[in-house]
Amino acid sequence: AQRVTQPEKLLSVFKGAPVELKCNYSYSGSPELFWYVQYSRQRLQLLLRHISRESIKGFTADLNKGETSFHLKKPFAQEEDSAMYYCALLLTYSGGYQKVTFGTGTKLQVIP
Amino acid sequence: GAGVSQSPRYKVAKRGQDVALRCDPISGHVSLFWYQQALGQGPEFLTYFQNEAQLDKSGLPSDRFFAERPEGSVSTLKIQRTQQEDSAVYLCASSSFGVPRETQYFGPGTRLLVL
Repeated sequence: AQRVTQPEKLLSVFKGAPVELKCNYSYSGSPELFWYVQYSRQRLQLLLRHISRESIKGFTADLNKGETSFHLKKPFAQEEDSAMYYCALLLTYSGGYQKVTFGTGTKLQVIP
Repeated sequence: GAGVSQSPRYKVAKRGQDVALRCDPISGHVSLFWYQQALGQGPEFLTYFQNEAQLDKSGLPSDRFFAERPEGSVSTLKIQRTQQEDSAVYLCASSSFGVPRETQYFGPGTRLLVL
């Protein structure tokens, strides 16, 4: 079965400290992974996707196929980074059909 | 511009009651998704439409759940004979192209509480 695992429900860090939100996946195909974020009282939104190799709001995520991981990192946490973060995996089925499966989420709390 | 909207935002239903949840996607978006998010969990896929065609309904938990998008825009998720385990936030998302890999834009969700 295809799975996305986010082992930490809550991660608390001090402002200015490095952040690493962990995500591991289980998928037999070629993975496409995303990070979604939900700020307080806002809707879920895409943060970044691995195929874009982009840095958004100082966050980066590298796909490590050997470790089947897609951890989200930021060198210096800011208070405005406090939010729920969801790792998501795009599944591709035979015939080309696709759908997205989400992890359970990690709440990042940045302490001033 | 206008994003994805959902109504109602909150719904309290008595067990056994039928409910209908509405999603207005971003205008012109081809794909529409419904997710169920239980407390403390991530969104769980329910169903997917490409225009008016329901291409995947494998995530619908039972035959009490039914979704439609008759004109390829607004969608309705209907739950018949609601049960307490149906209590969750129901999220709708849309994307501009016909494949799920494209960025999904989420609505604010409908919080359903079944008593």
